[in-house]
Amino acid sequence: DTGVSQDPRHKITKRGQNVTFRCDPISEHNRLYWYRQTLGQGPEFLTYFQNEAQLEKSRLLSDRFSAERPKGSFSTLEIQRTEQGDSAMYLCASSSLPGLAGGQETQYFGPGTRLLVL
Amino acid sequence: GEDVEQSLFLSVREGDSSVINCTYTDSSSTYLYWYKQEPGAGLQLLTYIFSNMDMKQDQRLTVLLNKKDKHLSLRIADTQTGDSAIYFCAEIPNDYKLSFGAGTTVTVRA
Repeated sequence: DTGVSQDPRHKITKRGQNVTFRCDPISEHNRLYWYRQTLGQGPEFLTYFQNEAQLEKSRLLSDRFSAERPKGSFSTLEIQRTEQGDSAMYLCASSSLPGLAGGQETQYFGPGTRLLVL
Repeated sequence: GEDVEQSLFLSVREGDSSVINCTYTDSSSTYLYWYKQEPGAGLQLLTYIFSNMDMKQDQRLTVLLNKKDKHLSLRIADTQTGDSAIYFCAEIPNDYKLSFGAGTTVTVRA
């Protein structure tokens, strides 16, 4: 399988616990994105990496959230001191860089990690 | 996704055509996308259109773009039960951040 993979697929935790999710992008893709999707809504951008560098973080990403991509390959998203409002689907996507002349770079999504905070 | 608006529900009979509409706000979006999401799954890219095109056809899918009105539509011909899903319209006003609508739930009835 050469698509984007995420682990775990489901996570149930108690309020106040820390959780960590992993994303493995398509191997040749330089860019990796995290989105959050709540029930009945479309995905909302959280952050993205170009290789190892985290280039933007949304205001949705409070200081309890941290994302890393240490070697420019897989990424982790950690949520500390989880709250019930963190319950959502966390989606990872990857893409290659646009060429020098620009052009579109399709974002390919993983299956997501569904988090439930009790 | 408040900058991208879609109708929430569409019910269609099997074999008929489905048309899903979307309006977006950022005229700088160079590409516009349609993604499909089945229950409990991630997003699958269906198709995209470059902003200087009016129409794109890909098998049963036809995308129409009215850039003046910032209106995008997706037509699915000969709708099948496997087309039941949530369909998201997305714009990309910069080169990295997709902005999604809330999604249109399409239900195909026999």
